[in-house]
Amino acid sequence: KAGVTQTPRYLIKTRGQQVTLSCSPISGHRSVSWYQQTPGQGLQFLFEYFSETQRNKGNFPGRFSGRQFSNSRSEMNVSTLELGDSALYLCASTVGQTTYEQYFGPGTRLTVT
Amino acid sequence: ILNVEQSPQSLHVQEGDSTNFTCSFPSSNFYALHWYRWETAKSPEALFVMTLNGDEKKKGRISATLNTKEGYSYLYIKGSQPEDSATYLCASSDTSGTYKYIFGTGTRLKVLA
Repeated sequence: KAGVTQTPRYLIKTRGQQVTLSCSPISGHRSVSWYQQTPGQGLQFLFEYFSETQRNKGNFPGRFSGRQFSNSRSEMNVSTLELGDSALYLCASTVGQTTYEQYFGPGTRLTVT
Repeated sequence: ILNVEQSPQSLHVQEGDSTNFTCSFPSSNFYALHWYRWETAKSPEALFVMTLNGDEKKKGRISATLNTKEGYSYLYIKGSQPEDSATYLCASSDTSGTYKYIFGTGTRLKVLA
């Protein structure tokens, strides 16, 4: 069974640009969550999608948005990039409820210069 | 708002030593507690999901316990090996139905050969 995949793995952007990250969950998983990790911080929850609907959103500005497609693949978009957006972005998939294990992708390392 | 804390932040142990870490979480409205192992340059890997007070889970030399009344979980590693070196994360979710996990900042374990 293929794991969670994320593309691209590394990305360098300049301030003011926008970026789109992609996540393909494990086959059969309908929930995809996105997290941001910066040095010294734990994984910060961005948002979660289930069957193309955003069920929950973390405390991030509106520049961070996402969507999920009918095949459960998800994209995350960050507009008007700031230096502080430099981070590792992880997505995770699960079957649905938080009593089930989450499976993480390898992450996308975003550097904003 | 959930606040999940982990201690210690980091520790070094000798190969063969046994060790344990603590994860503290708000006990009110508890729903599930997850443990993950995160090795450098890899994705976080799910170790355990626990939901019931008094739960004990075991996988090889690693085990975990859960006390939902007082809001803590312990992760134990028996006979640590260098390959156990990783960051161990815990995450908690509540019954609000928000489908999100709140992560601690992790315990970084280094096992010295």
